[in-house]
Amino acid sequence: EAGVTQFPSHSVIEKGQTVTLRCDPISGHDNLYWYRRVMGKEIKFLLHFVKESKQDESGMPNNRFLAERTGGTYSTLKVQPAELEDSGVYFCASSQAGAKNIQYFGAGTRLSVL
Amino acid sequence: TQLLKQSPQFLSIQEGENLTVYCNSSSVFSSLQWYRQEPGEGPVLLVTVVTGGEVKKLKRLTFQFGDARKDSSLHITAAQPGDTGLYLCAGPLLGAGSYQLTFGKGTKLSVIP
Repeated sequence: EAGVTQFPSHSVIEKGQTVTLRCDPISGHDNLYWYRRVMGKEIKFLLHFVKESKQDESGMPNNRFLAERTGGTYSTLKVQPAELEDSGVYFCASSQAGAKNIQYFGAGTRLSVL
Repeated sequence: TQLLKQSPQFLSIQEGENLTVYCNSSSVFSSLQWYRQEPGEGPVLLVTVVTGGEVKKLKRLTFQFGDARKDSSLHITAAQPGDTGLYLCAGPLLGAGSYQLTFGKGTKLSVIP
């Protein structure tokens, strides 16, 4: 069974550009989470989907970040326009309906905004 | 404000030695997870502890959840080079109504052959 997959693994963009990150959760996992780790800090929660609905988006930094999960399968996280402080590693995780705290993580997307 | 503090931040030991890393908070957690992360990869779940005072063993690794569910420890017996990595503790805060995980910064372990 495939784990959580994220694409791309690395992205280098210039300030002001747009970037879209993609996450494919483990098949059958209703819960999908986005997290971010900026340099020197701990991994921090961004938002949580249950199927296609946003359950908790309290960690989203500002309105330059837009997450979607149309159809309740894969998810995208778009940053528009990107700023320097958006650089970091973006992780996606998924979990089963009955075990929301047991989250399985993807390898992450390393975003560098220059 | 860092809710989960891990110590030490860095640890370098010889193969065969024992070690303990700590995860402490003033807040209560519903459960705590321990992950290990290697460069270029995502955190890999090692164990989940749920009940206060719970002890779980995974081969040479022993995990303990504090009685008050505010802290946890990971003890490794006879460390091996394959144990090298970043150890992270994380958990959902009790009563938060959310399953977002709060993470510590991690303990970076190096086991020297």
